[in-house]
Amino acid sequence: EAGVAQSPRYKIIEKRQSVAFWCNPISGHATLYWYQQILGQGPKLLIQFQNNGVVDDSQLPKDRFSAERLKGVDSTLKIQPAKLEDSAVYLCASSLDTGSSYEQYFGPGTRLTVT
Amino acid sequence: SQQGEEDPQALSIQEGENATMNCSYKTSINNLQWYRQNSGRGLVHLILIRSNEREKHSGRLRVTLDTSKKSSSLLITASRAADTASYFCATDNLGAGSYQLTFGKGTKLSVIP
Repeated sequence: EAGVAQSPRYKIIEKRQSVAFWCNPISGHATLYWYQQILGQGPKLLIQFQNNGVVDDSQLPKDRFSAERLKGVDSTLKIQPAKLEDSAVYLCASSLDTGSSYEQYFGPGTRLTVT
Repeated sequence: SQQGEEDPQALSIQEGENATMNCSYKTSINNLQWYRQNSGRGLVHLILIRSNEREKHSGRLRVTLDTSKKSSSLLITASRAADTASYFCATDNLGAGSYQLTFGKGTKLSVIP
């Protein structure tokens, strides 16, 4: 079974520039998550999709972050404009369905450095 | 907000020894999950324990849950160098639309060959 795919793996940008990350979840997984993981901390949920609808985006900084999940499969996360504090690893995860009893499968992440 | 907090923050042991990591949380939960993260394989699910379970085993892993103390422990027996990683507990909490996982800061385990 193919895992969660993410690209790019690494990205370096200057502050105030924009950046986009892409995620392809495991086939058949209805729920997709984007997490931000700052060095030395655990992942923090940014947004959760169920199929192509947003379940929860309460922790997404909507003035600069946006995300969409087209046709309920692939997803993109965008930051515009980036700030220094956005430097982190951005993880995409998917699960069969919504709910805490489902195991989440994580992609390798995109390491973003904002200079 | 941080729900689970792992203890210790870092742990260094010799290969073959057992490693115990603890997780404490604040509010009641339905499930608690443990994940491992290393540079080679990223973040991987290890085990899920439900609130009505007290102990669960998976290979060399043993997880306990004490809901009265709001705490869980992960025991890795006969550790190997390949177990070197960060270990996170993740507790569920009701977010805006559904139950979500909230991760702690993790325990960094180093197994010395």
